[in-house]
Amino acid sequence: QVHLVESGGDLVQPGRSLRLSCKASGFSFSGYGMHWVRQAPGKGLEWVAMIWYHGNSQYYADSVKGRVAISRDTSKDTLFLDMDDLRVEDTAVYYCVRAGRPSFYFFDRWGQGTLVTVSS
Amino acid sequence: QSALTQPASLSGSPGQSITISCTGTNTDIGSYDYVSWYQQHPGTAPTLIIFDVTHRPSGISHRFSASKSGNTASLTISGLQPEDEADYYCASYTSDSTLVVFGGGTKLTVL
Repeated sequence: QVHLVESGGDLVQPGRSLRLSCKASGFSFSGYGMHWVRQAPGKGLEWVAMIWYHGNSQYYADSVKGRVAISRDTSKDTLFLDMDDLRVEDTAVYYCVRAGRPSFYFFDRWGQGTLVTVSS
Repeated sequence: QSALTQPASLSGSPGQSITISCTGTNTDIGSYDYVSWYQQHPGTAPTLIIFDVTHRPSGISHRFSASKSGNTASLTISGLQPEDEADYYCASYTSDSTLVVFGGGTKLTVL
């Protein structure tokens, strides 16, 4: 059974950094692309970032480009999202999501999310 | 403002059918068959219900179907049931700088 468990969400001040982690289990992590999708309180879904299964290519939403980095450690079946220069508008639940196959542009398994709150 | 446009809310009675529209442009829905739909109940993570425009994942009820015409995708739920009350989001690949765009979501109420 596929499990995605996020961690690392916290209350942080604007301008600070944070690393989110997502531990994957129940599937061959190295064979799947992975995404981060976020949802601000009471708002809709927003795609944040994607990393290909091989880890050599990453893509980012314009709203976070230059401030976040997605990476993966295949030996630990773990996905990361490093966020710098956090802003109030980054406040959201961040979901770790598995990319679908054969096309990679849909999200077939979701974690339960981790809450990031940016506030002074 | 979301890149894809959905009605903010819809309602229907048990047993009825409803259709949720999702309008994009020729840089996303109009040019690629990478439209997906998600159901989200309050306080829970979204669930995939349709991928690649028309395909249902295993375990998803046949009451959910979808299509696309031009720049607009549609999700139809037939035989509405109380458990269908949820938020529904469409998403699409885009050739713009952002890889994937979502709709703003539609809150479905089953009266």
